[in-house]
Amino acid sequence: KAGVTQTPRYLIKTRGQQVTLSCSPISGHRSVSWYQQTPGQGLQFLFEYFSETQRNKGNFPGRFSGRQFSNSRSEMNVSTLELGDSALYLCASSLEDTRTDTQYFGPGTRLTVL
Amino acid sequence: QKEVEQDPGPLSVPEGAIVSLNCTYSNSAFQYFMWYRQYSRKGPELLMYTYSSGNKEDGRFTAQVDKSSKYISLFIRDSQPSDSATYLCAVSGGGNKLTFGTGTQLKVEL
Repeated sequence: KAGVTQTPRYLIKTRGQQVTLSCSPISGHRSVSWYQQTPGQGLQFLFEYFSETQRNKGNFPGRFSGRQFSNSRSEMNVSTLELGDSALYLCASSLEDTRTDTQYFGPGTRLTVL
Repeated sequence: QKEVEQDPGPLSVPEGAIVSLNCTYSNSAFQYFMWYRQYSRKGPELLMYTYSSGNKEDGRFTAQVDKSSKYISLFIRDSQPSDSATYLCAVSGGGNKLTFGTGTQLKVEL
């Protein structure tokens, strides 16, 4: 079974721009979660989608948004990029959302904001 | 205070050593406990998943959870150079929102 895939793997943007990252979950998985990983803060939860609905949200500003499509693929968008948004953005998929299920992570998208 | 505290290391041990990695957490509502391993330039991969207090063993890995002291541990026996990675503890109160420790960098030397 193919794992979680994320595109692109690397991105360089400048301050003020916006960016869209994509995640394809493992086939059959309906829950997709997004995390931001930085050296200073570690892995932080952004949001989770299940059946095209946002089920959980972390403590990030509204510039960070996401969506999920009917095929469970998900995108996250960051508008008005700031230098501090430079990070590894990880997507994780799992089968369920009703309990803490095993989450499988993708390789991440490395975003650099200049 | 962070919800999950983890010693960042780095931790360096000789091959064959027993490694002990630890995390403490503050919220007694957490009831799911996980350990992930992350190699450089890769996403985290799940090593151990436990529910509530107790021990769980899988090969060379043993996870321990002590909910009374809000303390979780991962032991690695007979450590190998291939175990060199960052180890992340994660907790959850339910649902798929995980709260991670900052990770401990482990190096196993020949």
